Amino acid sequence: SAVISQKPSRDICQRGTSLTIQCQVDSQVTMMFWYRQQPGQSLTLIATANQGSEATYESGFVIDKFPISRPNLTFSTLTVSNMSPEDSSIYLCSVVRGTEEGNTIYFGEGSWLTVV
Amino acid sequence: AQTVTQSQPEMSVQEAETVTLSCTYDTSESDYYLFWYKQPPSRQMILVIRQEAYKQQNATENRFSVNFQKAAKSFSLKISDSQLGDAAMYFCALGRGSQGNLIFGKGTKLSVKP
Repeated sequence: SAVISQKPSRDICQRGTSLTIQCQVDSQVTMMFWYRQQPGQSLTLIATANQGSEATYESGFVIDKFPISRPNLTFSTLTVSNMSPEDSSIYLCSVVRGTEEGNTIYFGEGSWLTVV
Repeated sequence: AQTVTQSQPEMSVQEAETVTLSCTYDTSESDYYLFWYKQPPSRQMILVIRQEAYKQQNATENRFSVNFQKAAKSFSLKISDSQLGDAAMYFCALGRGSQGNLIFGKGTKLSVKP
């Protein structure tokens, strides 16, 4: 398994502000992923974060709104910029961990943001 | 395009009974993985079981097993001897080969009655 820590676990944010979410993994991984889960919805991939290169964003997500950093192989941050109530969601990071049986994907505990 | 469909928004099961959650998917990839994740009220995504598409044998993990029908693109989850702690949202997810980006279904909310 993988130990993935996210901070903050929960926060209430003011409209128009920005918040940075941290994701720390217990061992080096090549790719890290950021997902969003809006209230009552499923998970949607925001972007893939590779160390040493720009993040790759999915359709509907842009770097200006969700800048991502990946300074090393165990850490990444996602910033939610200029927040509005529509950004109230759980944000989760995930990693791929290879095993003898193949790839398995693990998630952090999630960061639950409420924008007021 | 890849899609994952969970047609049961909610399911209920009596404690100690067996329940099956449905999932169908569509992909043009030949190398892919399928996952079931459990999300309790704590919101953490917990891996329940995984299945490689190239394996014909259905994966099992204690009380959890899957019925993987590749031709039908079906991947159902069977929970045996259901326990109160099994109550949660269950998400079916599809992943490509060595990639870690997943496509999720909309989820099934499972209730367990004592």
